[in-house]
Amino acid sequence: DSGVTQTPKHLITATGQRVTLRCSPRSGDLSVYWYQQSLDQGLQFLIQYYNGEERAKGNILERFSAQQFPDLHSELNLSSLELGDSALYFCASSVGVGHGNTEAFFGQGTRLTVV
Amino acid sequence: KNEVEQSPQNLTAQEGEFITINCSYSVGISALHWLQQHPGGGIVSLFMLSSGKKKHGRLIATINIQEKHSSLHITASHPRDSAVYICAVRGYSNYQLIWGAGTKLIIKP
Repeated sequence: DSGVTQTPKHLITATGQRVTLRCSPRSGDLSVYWYQQSLDQGLQFLIQYYNGEERAKGNILERFSAQQFPDLHSELNLSSLELGDSALYFCASSVGVGHGNTEAFFGQGTRLTVV
Repeated sequence: KNEVEQSPQNLTAQEGEFITINCSYSVGISALHWLQQHPGGGIVSLFMLSSGKKKHGRLIATINIQEKHSSLHITASHPRDSAVYICAVRGYSNYQLIWGAGTKLIIKP
């Protein structure tokens, strides 16, 4: 168990809808990272939050947004969903602002299917 | 050309074989990670290294900073080692990880 909790594990929704994915980081970790992994593709970095503030942005669509709350959990909001948004969405956490010089801890992922 | 290249993309071997997965990168790095993604999707960190060699059970990771190359070895491979193995590096100039595309390993009994 990595200590990073993601909910829900699976989500099926229709095109045009909006969903919210939730991530609770490991106890003591201040950074949360969101990744998207489409079928048979590598991980694509979406966005990072550190202690409540946006720290870095990757290939995140304008239809997607995220936030990190005072208790450090994070939510990724996906709106106007398209079939191509079907993917595994991973959350990772780290204690510091950097994601690389300490061990990476990942949640189990949320599998989103858009029909 | 991707900044992190893994080879091979796919590898099928028999149980008991010695496995080597390679990772080459083109940027200066401060750390390199090896991670494992099981068929169910979960990602587990195996190693983080910036020099030399690390060993954990049947897994060994090495890195050659001068050659910008790392290898992940699995000794006495077992079907439960079947997974995607991912290499990721952190460059000097940013906080984020640069990800390889992964190597899909299948170990047949």
